[in-house]
Amino acid sequence: QKEVEQDPGPLSVPEGAIVSLNCTYSNSAFQYFMWYRQYSRKGPELLMYTYSSGNKEDGRFTAQVDKSSKYISLFIRDSQPSDSATYLCAMKDRGSTLGRLYFGRGTQLTVWP
Amino acid sequence: DADVTQTPRNRITKTGKRIMLECSQTKGHDRMYWYRQDPGLGLRLIYYSFDVKDINKGEISDGYSVSRQAQAKFSLSLESAIPNQTALYFCATSDPLAGGYNEQFFGPGTRLTVL
Repeated sequence: QKEVEQDPGPLSVPEGAIVSLNCTYSNSAFQYFMWYRQYSRKGPELLMYTYSSGNKEDGRFTAQVDKSSKYISLFIRDSQPSDSATYLCAMKDRGSTLGRLYFGRGTQLTVWP
Repeated sequence: DADVTQTPRNRITKTGKRIMLECSQTKGHDRMYWYRQDPGLGLRLIYYSFDVKDINKGEISDGYSVSRQAQAKFSLSLESAIPNQTALYFCATSDPLAGGYNEQFFGPGTRLTVL
């Protein structure tokens, strides 16, 4: 079992829809939770990060962490065609001096006009 | 100019050939990484380096080697390429002092095809 599980999709929604992307994990030592966005033919870029549990909002994006369930989510409100990309969750434990990130497989999202 | 560059961007080669992928960065970061990305498998770590004298194996290092020529340069070699090394390869950098979440900055990728 991979340490981080993510449904690869693909996910296709109409413009304006609310999108929910999710990851589960098995390592209880993970404390940093991140979402990277990867456009076609580009490298991933950090979209949002959260530390430990709770919610974080940034414009149309909300990241949620439920450590008791080992489950993280990214919500996109009022989705736009420009949100079409692959979204990868990533995690890191607080105590690691190596700084290694553990990535999910990525979910491919298409928002159609 | 891009902060993390990779050359070549695309490469087609034959089984058994030696291939080198190069990565350069202008971000001044000490940490550098090589990943491969395969459909359905996501990003998998091949090697990482925390400074010029420090090289570490990742989860899938067999069949690969690396060289950290300088703080700004990190090369990945396939000594004898095989078809299952066909993938998209990414170089990334990070600054250990920038935050506990260790944001990584990725290059544009090299698409490698081994026939």
